[in-house]
Amino acid sequence: DAGVIQSPRHEVTEMGQEVTLRCKPISGHDYLFWYRQTMMRGLELLIYFNNNVPIDDSGMPEDRFSAKMPNASFSTLKIQPSEPRDSAVYFCASSPGQGSGNTIYFGEGSWLTVV
Amino acid sequence: AQSVTQLDSHVSVSEGTPVLLRCNYSSSYSPSLFWYVQHPNKGLQLLLKYTSAATLVKGINGFEAEFKKSETSFHLTKPSAHMSDAAEYFCVVSGSSGTYKYIFGTGTRLKVLA
Repeated sequence: DAGVIQSPRHEVTEMGQEVTLRCKPISGHDYLFWYRQTMMRGLELLIYFNNNVPIDDSGMPEDRFSAKMPNASFSTLKIQPSEPRDSAVYFCASSPGQGSGNTIYFGEGSWLTVV
Repeated sequence: AQSVTQLDSHVSVSEGTPVLLRCNYSSSYSPSLFWYVQHPNKGLQLLLKYTSAATLVKGINGFEAEFKKSETSFHLTKPSAHMSDAAEYFCVVSGSSGTYKYIFGTGTRLKVLA
């Protein structure tokens, strides 16, 4: 399996611009997660989906952030408008089933820099 | 509520010597516990996980961890460090039963000296 695929791997954008990050989960995985990693806050769960339905978005920092999962093989995380404090690594991850013992598989991350 | 504490933010060892990365957890029920490794500019990779089976868990690349309920610990060990082990390591505890709000530790950066 190709693993979780994220794009773009690196993005530099100007403050105020819209940023869209994309993710293809591992085929057959029912759960999809978006995490953000920064030096100051470590790894934070932003939102997760089960069978394309958002289950918990309490980690989404503010209304500028939105996430969608239109089908089982694709998800987007959008920031509009972007701000310098959004600079971080954004990870998409997926998991095969329910239960707290299930492994979460991470993508390689999208490195976002907002200038 | 669940929580996880990684006791060392940085650990340095010489190549060929043992590795010990410490993790303590708090959980109101029997948790699942994980160790992930993150190499520079890479995603997180699962090293091993504990899900209430054997308390000594073996993972990839020679790593293992022991679940000690009485000490609420899940320390990661390796008998002999290799240069390629230099990375950041995260201890993770499962969230409330039935949810996927896994709790990540703050990470331990392992440095391996030649």
